[in-house]
Amino acid sequence: AQTVTQSQPEMSVQEAETVTLSCTYDTSESDYYLFWYKQPPSRQMILVIRQEAYKQQNATENRFSVNFQKAAKSFSLKISDSQLGDAAMYFCAYRSVRGMRFGAGTRLTVKP
Amino acid sequence: EPEVTQTPSHQVTQMGQEVILRCVPISNHLYFYWYRQILGQKVEFLVSFYNNEISEKSEIFDDQFSVERPDGSNFTLKIRSTKLEDSAMYFCASSDLTGTNEKLFFGSGTQLSVL
Repeated sequence: AQTVTQSQPEMSVQEAETVTLSCTYDTSESDYYLFWYKQPPSRQMILVIRQEAYKQQNATENRFSVNFQKAAKSFSLKISDSQLGDAAMYFCAYRSVRGMRFGAGTRLTVKP
Repeated sequence: EPEVTQTPSHQVTQMGQEVILRCVPISNHLYFYWYRQILGQKVEFLVSFYNNEISEKSEIFDDQFSVERPDGSNFTLKIRSTKLEDSAMYFCASSDLTGTNEKLFFGSGTQLSVL
């Protein structure tokens, strides 16, 4: 079974600084996607960024980028120039033909 | 951007009552999912649905749960006799492919409170 592990239950960052959220996963599949979802206090699930496993190039979306290490099965999210609006729960997710599974989440606090 | 719609946003019910959570997936999507999130915990997979039948279900999805696509647009989750531990946020999601190359679109969730 696929498992997704987020080892940091909580993280904190100063406004305008950079923070990295960790995610590792366990799978025997070769074809899959990885995602980071943001869940603000409203509890919506908002897609932040996704990475195709077959691509070596790390995905970027404005201030958000990932460090995808396929051999290590690691998929960390870097948030640059953190803003107060970035404060939320962040979920790492793994998707294959078997479906999508989520990590336990990391709560990010942004200090002004 | 198209979106998945869930109603109601909040549902309060008494223990033992039946509830139906409703979802309208994106119109050209074919694959539908329910997830739930108990407050402060991870997002858990419940069930996936395709071609009018369940494709996969988790151990959470026991006989108390059922899903239906009654009219080609709605996708419902029914809990037959609610328990206190069913209190959670329930998310519906849809995608137009079951493969890995499309993202899931999530609804904004239904907060179910069982008293």
